[in-house]
Amino acid sequence: DTGVSQDPRHKITKRGQNVTFRCDPISEHNRLYWYRQTLGQGPEFLTYFQNEAQLEKSRLLSDRFSAERPKGSFSTLEIQRTEQGDSAMYLCASSDRSPQPQHFGDGTRLSIL
Amino acid sequence: EDQVTQSPEALRLQEGESSSLNCSYTVSGLRGLFWYRQDPGKGPEFLFTLYSAGEEKEKERLKATLTKKESFLHITAPKPEDSATYLCAVRSSNDYKLSFGAGTTVTVRA
Repeated sequence: DTGVSQDPRHKITKRGQNVTFRCDPISEHNRLYWYRQTLGQGPEFLTYFQNEAQLEKSRLLSDRFSAERPKGSFSTLEIQRTEQGDSAMYLCASSDRSPQPQHFGDGTRLSIL
Repeated sequence: EDQVTQSPEALRLQEGESSSLNCSYTVSGLRGLFWYRQDPGKGPEFLFTLYSAGEEKEKERLKATLTKKESFLHITAPKPEDSATYLCAVRSSNDYKLSFGAGTTVTVRA
C-alpha cells in the first residue's frame, strides 16, 4: 500500500492558463474522488468515479473543469482558463467498496498569479 | 443537504490537559461519520469511522463517540505531536461523497 499519489504538489500559473493534475489511487481501490480545499475550510466534493465511470459531479464543477479516469486507474483533473478563485488545494482520495473510508493524497496546491 | 458543524474552531492545550472536540451533523440517513487528522500542507489522514449511535472507537490518546446528532473526539493527556487540524465528515446513505466540517485546530504546548 503506497498510498494515494498526486502530481504536481505545487502549481503556479497565470490567470487564463490551463492546468492539469494527476492522481494515482491506491492500487486495489476502484473508487476515486476529487475535492477542493481552501484555507480554513474542510474539503469540498468535486467529482466521483467508480472504475472509469464518472458517477457524480458537484455543481462546484463548472464547465471549465473536466476530470477523466481512463481504464479505471489514474485520474486527471483539468482546469481551463484559470481564474483567481481557482486558487486552492486540490485533493484526491480513493476507497474500496462502500462504506470503507476514503484515503487522501497530499494534494496539489494551485496558485493563480 | 448534509451539514457538519465543528466546535471550537481552535483549541490551545497544555501537554497532558485532556479535552473534547464537537461535531454536530444533519444528514439524511447516516452511512458513516469519519474523523480525519490534517497536518499543514498535507492531505487528511483517516482516523476513525463510526456507523451508529452509541459506537465508540479508540486509538492511542484519541477516542471518538457518536450520538444521533453529534460526535465527540476526546483527546486524553495530549502531547505536542497531537497538534493538528481535526476534521469531521459524514456520508449519507444515498450519496458517495463526504461532507466535511471546517475543522478544529488543536495546538498542544509542551
